[in-house]
Amino acid sequence: NAGVTQTPKFRILKIGQSMTLQCTQDMNHNYMYWYRQDPGMGLKLIYYSVGAGITDKGEVPNGYNVSRSTTEDFPLRLELAAPSQTSVYFCASNNGIAYSNQPQHFGDGTRLSIL
Amino acid sequence: RKEVEQDPGPFNVPEGATVAFNCTYSNSASQSFFWYRQDCRKEPKLLMSVYSSGNEDGRFTAQLNRASQYISLLIRDSKLSDSATYLCVVNGGDSSYKLIFGSGTRLLVRP
Repeated sequence: NAGVTQTPKFRILKIGQSMTLQCTQDMNHNYMYWYRQDPGMGLKLIYYSVGAGITDKGEVPNGYNVSRSTTEDFPLRLELAAPSQTSVYFCASNNGIAYSNQPQHFGDGTRLSIL
Repeated sequence: RKEVEQDPGPFNVPEGATVAFNCTYSNSASQSFFWYRQDCRKEPKLLMSVYSSGNEDGRFTAQLNRASQYISLLIRDSKLSDSATYLCVVNGGDSSYKLIFGSGTRLLVRP
C-alpha cells in the first residue's frame, strides 16, 4: 500500500530555475494539500485541492502553482526559484468530510535547496 | 496571536517518566483535533485524534477543553522511542477541512 508518494526526495536548484514536485496518492482521497516546513517551524499550507479540477490558495501561495487533473495527482510547480523557497515540502491527502475527524496522510517529503 | 500555540520545549525526561504537553487554539469554531508525531527530518504521522470526552491509546491520553480552547497530551512510562516532536493540529473552523499545525513540542527521553 503506497499511500502518498512524493518525488524527488532531494533537489538542489539554482536561483531562477523552475521545477515540479510530484505527488500521487492511491487511496482515492478527494482532498490533497501541499505544505512547506522551514527548520524549527510548523507546517504552512501552500495550496490545496478538494477534487479534480479544483484548487485554491493556502496561507503561503506566492511563487507556486498547482494543478489537479486527476484524483491521484497533485503536482506543485515552482516557476522562478528563490532562496526563500528553500524548505521541506510535504504533500498530504484525506477524505475531506465536514464535522468529521479525518486526519491527513503525508508523503515523506521533498527537501529542496535553492542556491 | 498564533492560531495554534505550543510550548516548543525541549522537554528532557528520563525513561519511565510521565510528561504532559499543552496546546491552545484561537478559533472557537474548530471541530477536529489531532496530535501528530514528527521524527527528525521525517513526515508528520498521526498519533491520535482528540475527542471531546478525552481518549486514551495505550500510554497516551488526550484531553480537550473547548471552553478554554485547550488540548493536552499525556505520555506515561516514557520510552526512548517516544523522542520526537509532537504537533498539535486543529481544523480551521466549523466545516473546514484545512488543518492548522502548531510548531511542535520537542521531547527527548534519556536512558
